[in-house]
Amino acid sequence: DTGVSQNPRHKITKRGQNVTFRCDPISEHNRLYWYRQTLGQGPEFLTYFQNEAQLEKSRLLSDRFSAERPKGSFSTLEIQRTEQGDSAMYLCASSYLPGGGYGYTFGSGTRLTVV
Amino acid sequence: AQTVTQSQPEMSVQEAETVTLSCTYDTSESDYYLFWYKQPPSRQMILVIRQEAYKQQNATENRFSVNFQKAAKSFSLKISDSQLGDAAMYFCAYYGNNAGNMLTFGGGTRLMVKP
Repeated sequence: DTGVSQNPRHKITKRGQNVTFRCDPISEHNRLYWYRQTLGQGPEFLTYFQNEAQLEKSRLLSDRFSAERPKGSFSTLEIQRTEQGDSAMYLCASSYLPGGGYGYTFGSGTRLTVV
Repeated sequence: AQTVTQSQPEMSVQEAETVTLSCTYDTSESDYYLFWYKQPPSRQMILVIRQEAYKQQNATENRFSVNFQKAAKSFSLKISDSQLGDAAMYFCAYYGNNAGNMLTFGGGTRLMVKP
């Protein structure tokens, strides 16, 4: 098992373009989480899945953001009509159900730069 | 809502010395978990240590130990015999079973280790 994998590692896009990130969790993990982290700050929760069901979304997740986890395996996070304020590191993590008490395993993140 | 506060944006320690990072949190729950995560410059978050709130004994992992004061809602991390590889951002995090099932992070403390 290679841990949580995120692709791409870096993405530079022009304002107004759409971007999509992918996360492959640890295969045995039921829960998958997306966080956003701006420079020098702690990660902020965006959304999480239990298997294929999206169970919670943060108010940070505007209508331009959508996440999916088809078949309860990998997940994608799409941002439509990107804005400069979307520039951040997007982190994915996974855990066993109910594994939150044991912490999460994080991926290396996707760094998004909107120019 | 639960909040996690790290009041030290930066800390510095001499190699081989001991340093303590502070964390306070706010919650109305009695059953929860606390974590310290390390984020080296490569950006992948790594779990350092975990504490269950119902356990009075402080958690220890090799050179890392915590001072958990439940009544004061304080959760500090002590790093003994600091090494150059300990230099990183350290994040305190909270997980409660009734708190939306996600980790809530503090703002982080940047630890510098001087040779």
